[in-house]
Amino acid sequence: QEQLQQWGAGLLKPSETLSLSCAEYGGSFSGDYWAWIRQPPGKGLEWMGHINHGGSAIYNVSLQSRVTITVDPFKKQFSLNLRSLTAADTAVYYCARVTVFHCMDVWGEGTTVTVSS
Amino acid sequence: EFVLTQSPGTLSLSPGERATLSCRASQSIAFSFLAWYQQKPGQAPRLLLYGASSRATGIPDRFRGYGSGTEYTLTITRLEPEDFAVYYCQHYGTSPPVTFGGGTKVEIK
Repeated sequence: QEQLQQWGAGLLKPSETLSLSCAEYGGSFSGDYWAWIRQPPGKGLEWMGHINHGGSAIYNVSLQSRVTITVDPFKKQFSLNLRSLTAADTAVYYCARVTVFHCMDVWGEGTTVTVSS
Repeated sequence: EFVLTQSPGTLSLSPGERATLSCRASQSIAFSFLAWYQQKPGQAPRLLLYGASSRATGIPDRFRGYGSGTEYTLTITRLEPEDFAVYYCQHYGTSPPVTFGGGTKVEIK
């Protein structure tokens, strides 16, 4: 059964860069796209962007000046960088697989990221 | 701007009752691009339905979805204790590529 395992630093300071990675286990990295979604405390889900196997990424317009998603199909991993952090970036960050049915069927367990001086 | 509006914000029901959750799109969408998720506290969302009405692997048949155009509905025919959670609808489109609704919390009355 496919699983996504994610990792990265959870406590960062304003202006720093968030770096998270996500790896697929138990599968063939066969998703249509690979996505990052975040959820501020007590709030709903926000799609940040996604990338295909070829490295072509699409980003949320509200974040696209600060966000980069990359993929390494050989390692079955993809990564998120978010620059110039502020307290508003405090959230749980999830990685997820996007299927050909345009939905996210496998999710990572989430990484809590706190931005505080 | 494309928006998904979920209602009600909170639904207070008892186990065994029927839950009806609404997701309204700001413009007509293809049903095949509408999905529903369940999220419990401290957990990642779980895919329930895709294509508006197709259940994901392992999802019990008390979860039913339907709709077209701008109006979509998730129905839980008989609430089980484990169904009390927050539910999100999601659209996959072009601009923006992915949109989530604001969520509906189903709580125990």
